[in-house]
Amino acid sequence: AQKITQTQPGMFVQEKEAVTLDCTYDTSDQSYGLFWYKQPSSGEMIFLIYQGSYDEQNATEGRYSLNFQKARKSANLVISASQLGDSAMYFCAMSSNTGKLIFGQGTTLQVKP
Amino acid sequence: DAGVIQSPRHEVTEMGQEVTLRCKPISGHDYLFWYRQTVMRGLELLIYFNNNVPIDDSGMPEDRFSAKMPNASFSTLKIQPSEPRDSAVYFCASSLVGGGYSGNTIYFGEGSWLTVV
Repeated sequence: AQKITQTQPGMFVQEKEAVTLDCTYDTSDQSYGLFWYKQPSSGEMIFLIYQGSYDEQNATEGRYSLNFQKARKSANLVISASQLGDSAMYFCAMSSNTGKLIFGQGTTLQVKP
Repeated sequence: DAGVIQSPRHEVTEMGQEVTLRCKPISGHDYLFWYRQTVMRGLELLIYFNNNVPIDDSGMPEDRFSAKMPNASFSTLKIQPSEPRDSAVYFCASSLVGGGYSGNTIYFGEGSWLTVV
């Protein structure tokens, strides 16, 4: 069975500092994808970053980077230079080789001015 | 390009009534997902389709829920009869391919906010 675990229900970070949101996963698939989504208070789901299981380099998208450690089955999101607008719920997700996409419980991030 | 389109955005209905949520995926996307989000249970995958065929409906809560995808550009999620515990945000999402393939971004609609009173 596949599982995504986010162990941090809530996180605080000072504006302009970096923050790491944890995500671990469990799967027996060889081919899978890992995603991070942001959900602000308005409710929409915003795609942030994607990492394929065969990608050798860690994915980066602007201030977002994904610290992919395959052997440890972790896919942590790093947000550099936090901004007030980064305050939101963040979800880690995994897609299987059958296309199924499941989500972790989410981490609420609050950026302090 | 238009994103995933869901309707209605908000619905308030009385217990026992039938509710139909609609979704138009992004053109050309082969996968369509229905999720339910609540504070207590988070984001739950209800069902997903590949090329209009339901692949996994193990997340559908009970027989009151049904989903169809009659063609590549339209899907419905129906609740009959509705109950207060069905109150949630229902998201539809679509993707071009499945699995761990490069460029496999999954796009979400804005959600349908359902309240059953």
